[in-house]
Amino acid sequence: DTGVSQDPRHKITKRGQNVTFRCDPISEHNRLYWYRQTLGQGPEFLTYFQNEAQLEKSRLLSDRFSAERPKGSFSTLEIQRTEQGDSAMYLCASSPGQYSNQPQHFGDGTRLSIL
Amino acid sequence: QKEVEQNSGPLSVPEGAIASLNCTYSDRGSQSFFWYRQYSGKSPELIMFIYSNGDKEDGRFTAQLNKASQYVSLLIRDSQPSDSATYLCAVSYNNNDMRFGAGTRLTVKP
Repeated sequence: DTGVSQDPRHKITKRGQNVTFRCDPISEHNRLYWYRQTLGQGPEFLTYFQNEAQLEKSRLLSDRFSAERPKGSFSTLEIQRTEQGDSAMYLCASSPGQYSNQPQHFGDGTRLSIL
Repeated sequence: QKEVEQNSGPLSVPEGAIASLNCTYSDRGSQSFFWYRQYSGKSPELIMFIYSNGDKEDGRFTAQLNKASQYVSLLIRDSQPSDSATYLCAVSYNNNDMRFGAGTRLTVKP
């Protein structure tokens, strides 16, 4: 079990560009979550998947954000037309089972910097 | 609005002392409670979880839950400098998402 893996670890891009992040959850974990974390704040929920189904999206997730988990394994988070305010750490977490009462295990995150 | 509140700190304790970290939450329907430790520049690491009222102990860590008071705490006994980190309280409100507090920064001084 190699834990939750995220790629890339760092991404620097110019405002207006599109970026895509990948998350590989712990194998056989049904649930996969995306969070955003800024300095001095706790992780903010963005969206989550139960297998391949995206079951909830936060109001924070504007129409510039899209997430997929096509085969119920890895997931991608895409941000289109990036803005300065998108600079943050993007965290992925996974958990077993079908309910959020199971502990979530986090990856190392992707730090996004918008120039 | 479902809220999870923590004192941002910093909380400073001497080495060997007990560190007490507190968290309150707004939704009485909350079912599951988690404590994560986050070192600077790193991702959150699960320390403990608790579902029922009372205490739950794991090594030097004790989680305490009081649903009537909507209060959950984490005690760290025999604090070590390596315990210096930000501690995040997380609450699961339903079967869907988890909400985090902003975290309490703990410093353990040698």
